[in-house]
Amino acid sequence: ETGVTQTPRHLVMGMTNKKSLKCEQHLGHNAMYWYKQSAKKPLELMFVYSLEERVENNSVPSRFSPECPNSSHLFLHLHTLQPEDSALYLCASSQDVGGGGELFFGEGSRLTVL
Amino acid sequence: QQQVKQSPQSLIVQKGGISIINCAYENTAFDYFPWYQQFPGKGPALLIAIRPDVSEKKEGRFTISFNKSAKQFSLHIMDSQPGDSATYFCAASSYSGAGSYQLTFGKGTKLSVIP
Repeated sequence: ETGVTQTPRHLVMGMTNKKSLKCEQHLGHNAMYWYKQSAKKPLELMFVYSLEERVENNSVPSRFSPECPNSSHLFLHLHTLQPEDSALYLCASSQDVGGGGELFFGEGSRLTVL
Repeated sequence: QQQVKQSPQSLIVQKGGISIINCAYENTAFDYFPWYQQFPGKGPALLIAIRPDVSEKKEGRFTISFNKSAKQFSLHIMDSQPGDSATYFCAASSYSGAGSYQLTFGKGTKLSVIP
């Protein structure tokens, strides 16, 4: 495996379900990110983890709960979501100072909330 | 102000033509300006990037033009090909410490190159 891998690629859930999205990076990077991509809107940064510590939480509703157990893995736990949460959720990673700001994205998890 | 304004929202170009996408920003703390390319079903991938100490950067058929005083930058795709059909995002970045970067994205431009 190379790059950033996300599972599952597609997820359909009801408003009362609990599910998790998983991200794994094989690049040796120090920072990992969750972005939300909705149609006709800019990519929205949700969470940033650097060296396994959360450094950014952009006013994301508590129904989204991130977890970063180590520098290679990132989870997004989902519960009691709303239909407007349906979107493509992208995970990304970046190197430290030498990376120059380049993010490496996974292919995303397409979430549909019924 | 963290917003990055991108235009046009969509663009149709004939094969062999020039595709031009424009972006503008407000925050002078941004110090890195990447462009990402996203194909359907894929995540965005870095295409080309520039820092504000240069006015132009060229990589193959892709060129970024940067105007620091106007706080604008643009992507030019020369000799556009059908395989270039994708959504393009401009972004502006600043270092936020501990190995992480704050990237602000534009809304994206859907490019269609027709034969």
